[in-house]
Amino acid sequence: DIQMTQSPSSLSASVGDRVTITCRASPGINNWLAWYQQKPERAPKPLIYAASTLQSGVPSRFSGSGSGTDFTLTINSLQPEDFATYYCQQYNTYPPTFGGGTKVEIQ
Amino acid sequence: EVQLLESGGGLVQPGGTLRLSCTASGFIFNSHAMNWVRQAPGKGPEWVSGISASATDTYYADSVTGRFTISRDNSKYTLYLQMNYLRVEDTAIYYCARDWNYGGLIYYFDYWGQGTPVTVSS
Repeated sequence: DIQMTQSPSSLSASVGDRVTITCRASPGINNWLAWYQQKPERAPKPLIYAASTLQSGVPSRFSGSGSGTDFTLTINSLQPEDFATYYCQQYNTYPPTFGGGTKVEIQ
Repeated sequence: EVQLLESGGGLVQPGGTLRLSCTASGFIFNSHAMNWVRQAPGKGPEWVSGISASATDTYYADSVTGRFTISRDNSKYTLYLQMNYLRVEDTAIYYCARDWNYGGLIYYFDYWGQGTPVTVSS
């Protein structure tokens, strides 16, 4: 199975900060990567697919980049509603696999 | 508006069975592949099983192969997961998730239900 490694596992940030989360795939997955946001007691919400395409309705402060093995989720100007856990997921190779998550907490 | 509503979870003893259902609305159900994804307490999501739009193809994670069966009734807009020989490690929230693709599975999940909890314990 493809191993997805996220870093950091958690981070503290303030409203207005720029936040960057990294996801590494082993082996590479072209650009078949998705990002999800999950709040407590809620289902994951899709944010980005194909590494950099925003899901409909997702604010433009979210962006994704990368290809192959290294990917990044960036949140520009962090908002109060963005405090959550973020997961990457590859869908290049069966079976689909998720990263371990990055929890974004209020500083 | 796309909606997915799971039901059927609960507390079951090891070795027991459960049948989960997911009722869909707001889209043409027989156009999309569907999946089950689970999340154990404090862990990340784990894909469990997928089924093509026409139900001709089914896929399973190694951890559930031979124990779980996915199916769908397109006339009822409903997805199912029959879970047999349940283990303690199957304890999780089980989510129904729509596959972004029409027809076959690509495993990008663009809509999720609210989940139904399954607890396997003696």
